[in-house]
Amino acid sequence: AQRVTQPEKLLSVFKGAPVELKCNYSYSGSPELFWYVQYSRQRLQLLLRHISRESIKGFTADLNKGETSFHLKKPFAQEEDSAMYYCALTWFYNQGGKLIFGQGTELSVKP
Amino acid sequence: DAGITQSPRHKVTETGTPVTLRCHQTENHRYMYWYRQDPGHGLRLIHYSYGVKDTDKGEVSDGYSVSRSKTEDFLLTLESATSSQTSVYFCAISESIRDRGLSGTLHFGNGTRLTVT
Repeated sequence: AQRVTQPEKLLSVFKGAPVELKCNYSYSGSPELFWYVQYSRQRLQLLLRHISRESIKGFTADLNKGETSFHLKKPFAQEEDSAMYYCALTWFYNQGGKLIFGQGTELSVKP
Repeated sequence: DAGITQSPRHKVTETGTPVTLRCHQTENHRYMYWYRQDPGHGLRLIHYSYGVKDTDKGEVSDGYSVSRSKTEDFLLTLESATSSQTSVYFCAISESIRDRGLSGTLHFGNGTRLTVT
């Protein structure tokens, strides 16, 4: 079965420090991975997806199929990055286009 | 923001009572989803719909039913609410399913906070 694991419930860093939010997945085929973010009092929204290979708000994520990981990274954290982050997985021929989410990691960036 | 409205925003109900949550979209998207959000579990899919009257179960569907009689409305019903169903419920819509069945981007509603006492 498909599974997404985010091992850290809470990650606390100081402003300007590097950030890495870990995501590991379980799927034997070719997955598509996403990061979603939920800022305080805002809707859950897409941050980035691996096929786009883009950097959004300074965040990047690389799909490592060998390690089945899709870690989210940012070299210099900002206070406005404080939010709940979810890693999510989908796959080809997925009826209904379902997304499977991880448990979420709360990022707290301190001044 | 995509045109998704969830109602009610907050609800407190007693164990054993039926509860219906509504998701309304103005985007005319085919795919709609209900997730619940719980600390330590993240978001878990309850049910989803791929068209009018076409629905299927997600990973945590026990105790829930859904209906979709119109493209714009997707209803989630708790037949007999239990305390374990206290949660935040999110509706989401998808623009499309891309080539080879991959999911499109999901757009989420604001959520409904349900408390079952």
